[in-house]
Amino acid sequence: ETGVTQSPTHLIKTRGQQVTLRCSSQSGHNTVSWYQQALGQGPQFIFQYYREEENGRGNFPPRFSGLQFPNYSSELNVNALELDDSALYLCASSLLRGDLYGYTFGSGTRLTVV
Amino acid sequence: AQTVTQSQPEMSVQEAETVTLSCTYDTSESDYYLFWYKQPPSRQMILVIRQEAYKQQNATENRFSVNFQKAAKSFSLKISDSQLGDAAMYFCAYKRSGAGSYQLTFGKGTKLSVIP
Repeated sequence: ETGVTQSPTHLIKTRGQQVTLRCSSQSGHNTVSWYQQALGQGPQFIFQYYREEENGRGNFPPRFSGLQFPNYSSELNVNALELDDSALYLCASSLLRGDLYGYTFGSGTRLTVV
Repeated sequence: AQTVTQSQPEMSVQEAETVTLSCTYDTSESDYYLFWYKQPPSRQMILVIRQEAYKQQNATENRFSVNFQKAAKSFSLKISDSQLGDAAMYFCAYKRSGAGSYQLTFGKGTKLSVIP
């Protein structure tokens, strides 16, 4: 098992800019979910990808988008950054039934928007 | 919408003692999963224990056990023989079962300190 790797670990961007965060899923996992964890809060579900298609989305605006690649790596893209987008972004990989087979989380990317 | 409430922002426990972290949730579903996750300073969420709602028996994993009260919608975590390495943020999480349900819903967390 290689675990879940996220890059970069820290990032500072300016309001209005665009950012891309990356996630390399655990070997064999075909599903990836992204979560936003604001300071002092629990993670909030952004969306999930299964076999390169988005198949579930939380209460986040369209400027949050993603991609999943055939090798199961994935990206989270955020356009028109706002100050409130400052947070820890967590990636979690799983088989489709993560509730049955478990989720493996990465260590996150800390995004600061100034 | 489902909600998860952790009413204890911070807790502390003496090393080797027992501590219980509280969690309540709100759902109209009958079939779901509940989880406790640990988030140390490394920031990675680590699964501590998992409970299936249809199972009446409380889950246990070594020093970790839960008290699952389905009617009361309560899911507390008991840590026995606390160790320094148990110090972390602990998050309770809920997931509806079945197709079309993808998200974990987390509480705000409880910060656990372990006193040597």
